[in-house]
Amino acid sequence: AQSVTQLDSQVPVFEEAPVELRCNYSSSVSVYLFWYVQYPNQGLQLLLKYLSGSTLVKGINGFEAEFNKSQTSFHLRKPSVHISDTAEYFCAVSDRNAGGTSYGKLTFGQGTILTVHP
Amino acid sequence: EPEVTQTPSHQVTQMGQEVILRCVPISNHLYFYWYRQILGQKVEFLVSFYNNEISEKSEIFDDQFSVERPDGSNFTLKIRSTKLEDSAMYFCASSYRMGGELFFGEGSRLTVL
Repeated sequence: AQSVTQLDSQVPVFEEAPVELRCNYSSSVSVYLFWYVQYPNQGLQLLLKYLSGSTLVKGINGFEAEFNKSQTSFHLRKPSVHISDTAEYFCAVSDRNAGGTSYGKLTFGQGTILTVHP
Repeated sequence: EPEVTQTPSHQVTQMGQEVILRCVPISNHLYFYWYRQILGQKVEFLVSFYNNEISEKSEIFDDQFSVERPDGSNFTLKIRSTKLEDSAMYFCASSYRMGGELFFGEGSRLTVL
């Protein structure tokens, strides 16, 4: 079984400031890791994913995340945020060793609402 | 850009009524999913569907729920007799291949009174 904890339910930040959204996971198996973003009245959009290789992954809109296996974390960062980054962000995992459609069986965190103020 | 579309965007129904939520996945996608998010709670996996059959389902997906791909384009979620606790946002998702990115729809908000 897997679980995902997003430590902050809301993160307010000023425009052009850096931001880090924290994500920790617990799993008895190896996992793939994902960050999704949901803008108001829109669906979930994939920001970035870690499948293998370099532990620092870069995604869309200037976001990046670092997989830390020892700390079971996958924190999302952006060095300088824009007003348009205001959205809800979801961290998710799936079982690396599962086959077939289980790859798409994601376990989500509870989401972090990022609000960027001018 | 191709997208997953869901209808209706919001449905209000009385407890005990049947509800069908519809999804049109991206046309060349082969793997289909339903997730739901009860207000204030996490997004939860309900069911996955491939090759015209359920691949996997969660314990939430009991006999009240069913999925169907009736015509090769739509992917539906039916709730036979809705309960108050079925009130949630329901998300459809699809992917082209095993291990491919999931594309989510905007969601259908179901309110059961």
